[in-house]
Amino acid sequence: AQSVAQPEDQVNVAEGNPLTVKCTYSVSGNPYLFWYVQYPNRGLQFLLKYITGDNLVKGSYGFEAEFNKSQTSFHLKKPSALVSDSALYFCAVTRGTPLVFGKGTRLSVIA
Amino acid sequence: KAGVTQTPRYLIKTRGQQVTLSCSPISGHRSVSWYQQTPGQGLQFLFEYFSETQRNKGNFPGRFSGRQFSNSRSEMNVSTLELGDSALYLCASSMDGLNSGNTIYFGEGSWLTVV
Repeated sequence: AQSVAQPEDQVNVAEGNPLTVKCTYSVSGNPYLFWYVQYPNRGLQFLLKYITGDNLVKGSYGFEAEFNKSQTSFHLKKPSALVSDSALYFCAVTRGTPLVFGKGTRLSVIA
Repeated sequence: KAGVTQTPRYLIKTRGQQVTLSCSPISGHRSVSWYQQTPGQGLQFLFEYFSETQRNKGNFPGRFSGRQFSNSRSEMNVSTLELGDSALYLCASSMDGLNSGNTIYFGEGSWLTVV
């Protein structure tokens, strides 16, 4: 069965510092991986996805993610965090089944 | 291009009642899926419809049902509401389905409170 782990419930980072939100996955075969962000009382907003090809994926709002097959990871990164990046972030995987989401990581960027 | 539209955004129902939620996917998208989001269980898959046919179903009781119309619009219905059905219900659409690698776009959700 497919699964996603986001090992950190909460990540705190100072504004201007780089941020990383971790995600590891388990799936049979090659995965399709997604990152979404959720702001309070809103739906999920697509950030980026990995389907195939270059392991470094660039997405919206300056976010990027690196696919690492050997470590089965897909960590979300941003070189310089903004206060407006504070939100709930979800990693998701699919391959042969509907999207399976991680529990989410709450990112707090402190001014 | 309009995004995924869900109605109503907020609603309050009483235990035992039923509710119908509506979702209009992005124009041209044939797949519509539904997810339930709660603080305790996170995001859980309900079902996926593609070209008016249910293609996948999650582990929810039969009280949860859905359908898709010829214009790809979808509705989900929950009968005999329970307090535990209080949640954010999210609709998502994609061009060819959840397993295609297409980007999956979500709506703003319908907040259901059961009292």
